[in-house]
Amino acid sequence: SQQGEEDPQALSIQEGENATMNCSYKTSINNLQWYRQNSGRGLVHLILIRSNEREKHSGRLRVTLDTSKKSSSLLITASRAADTASYFCATDPMEYGNKLVFGAGTILRVKS
Amino acid sequence: DSGVTQTPKHLITATGQRVTLRCSPRSGDLSVYWYQQSLDQGLQFLIQYYNGEERAKGNILERFSAQQFPDLHSELNLSSLELGDSALYFCASSGTGGIGYTFGSGTRLTVV
Repeated sequence: SQQGEEDPQALSIQEGENATMNCSYKTSINNLQWYRQNSGRGLVHLILIRSNEREKHSGRLRVTLDTSKKSSSLLITASRAADTASYFCATDPMEYGNKLVFGAGTILRVKS
Repeated sequence: DSGVTQTPKHLITATGQRVTLRCSPRSGDLSVYWYQQSLDQGLQFLIQYYNGEERAKGNILERFSAQQFPDLHSELNLSSLELGDSALYFCASSGTGGIGYTFGSGTRLTVV
């Protein structure tokens, strides 16, 4: 079964707008990671946030983590058409060791 | 090029057959992970190897097996194939430090 669940399942926005995706998970984690997947291709690691961190930035990406609510959000600012992809959150649950469990993903479409 | 090489990229085979998928991890990474991605099940963790030894097992069927060789490349063997085994199979590797996985571009398996 999947640990993380993303919300929304799909998101369609205009170029230049911000995109926010949410992820909820069930068990205690070591860290939470976000990945991007372009259609039918391999996943690309975007950012990792550890359980003792609350916010992290990388370029146009901002990730927050609330361990009390077991949730995370990924914000992509000033979106571009090239950001069109599926985005997955992945948790590294404490009970499983170094083994990522992926959510179902959010499909983001950025219209130009 | 992510540094993780998977071959073949595409594979079409008949039910009941056996296939071998190959993965070369990124240089220096000792851990190799296999994932299956299908439309109905999402990304499912199959198995992890670390420096030649099996480290963790996920939702891997008994018809599937894997191994990691001394040169750290890994093979995933799928036997007695069924139509439902049609999916994208990804290999990922990681090093120490918990900085995320590097994924290969996947093998698309179609069972007919």
